[in-house]
Amino acid sequence: QKEVEQDPGPLSVPEGAIVSLNCTYSNSAFQYFMWYRQYSRKGPELLMYTYSSGNKEDGRFTAQVDKSSKYISLFIRDSQPSDSATYLCAMTFTGGGNKLTFGTGTQLKVEL
Amino acid sequence: DSGVTQTPKHLITATGQRVTLRCSPRSGDLSVYWYQQSLDQGLQFLIQYYNGEERAKGNILERFSAQQFPDLHSELNLSSLELGDSALYFCASSVPTSGGSLTDTQYFGPGTRLTVL
Repeated sequence: QKEVEQDPGPLSVPEGAIVSLNCTYSNSAFQYFMWYRQYSRKGPELLMYTYSSGNKEDGRFTAQVDKSSKYISLFIRDSQPSDSATYLCAMTFTGGGNKLTFGTGTQLKVEL
Repeated sequence: DSGVTQTPKHLITATGQRVTLRCSPRSGDLSVYWYQQSLDQGLQFLIQYYNGEERAKGNILERFSAQQFPDLHSELNLSSLELGDSALYFCASSVPTSGGSLTDTQYFGPGTRLTVL
């Protein structure tokens, strides 16, 4: 079983919809949680990071972490066609260096 | 553009061969990371270098090796290639803090697509 599980999708939504992307993990040592966005044929780029449990908002994006359930989410409000990409969750912990453990990614398509 | 460059963009080679992938980090970044991305395994951490020294190691095969040079560019060497080594290989770099912080943003390059036939 992988340390980080993520539904690969694809997920197709209409423009303007609220999108919910999720990851579950098994290692309770993880403390920092990140979401990366990867466009086709490009490298991943960091969207948001959160520390421990709680919410963090940045524009149309909200990241949530529930450490008790080992579950993290990324919400995208008012989704746009330009949000169409693969979204990867990643996590790390103190003592793990800066090594990131990634989910396999969820492919999102926002349709006009 | 992240500022991280990788060459070549594409590489096609045969089983049993050896290849070298090159990465130039963002100006001033001391840490370089290598990742492998395949369809079934996703993005997996291979190895990290900080200012020329190995800092962390992940699921890197013994057939693979890396180094970081004094000018901070890094090379990933893959030898005795197998079909299963076909993947995207990404390099990332991060800001130069002394020990590395968990919140150091890793900036990814565009990747090298390796195809082993």
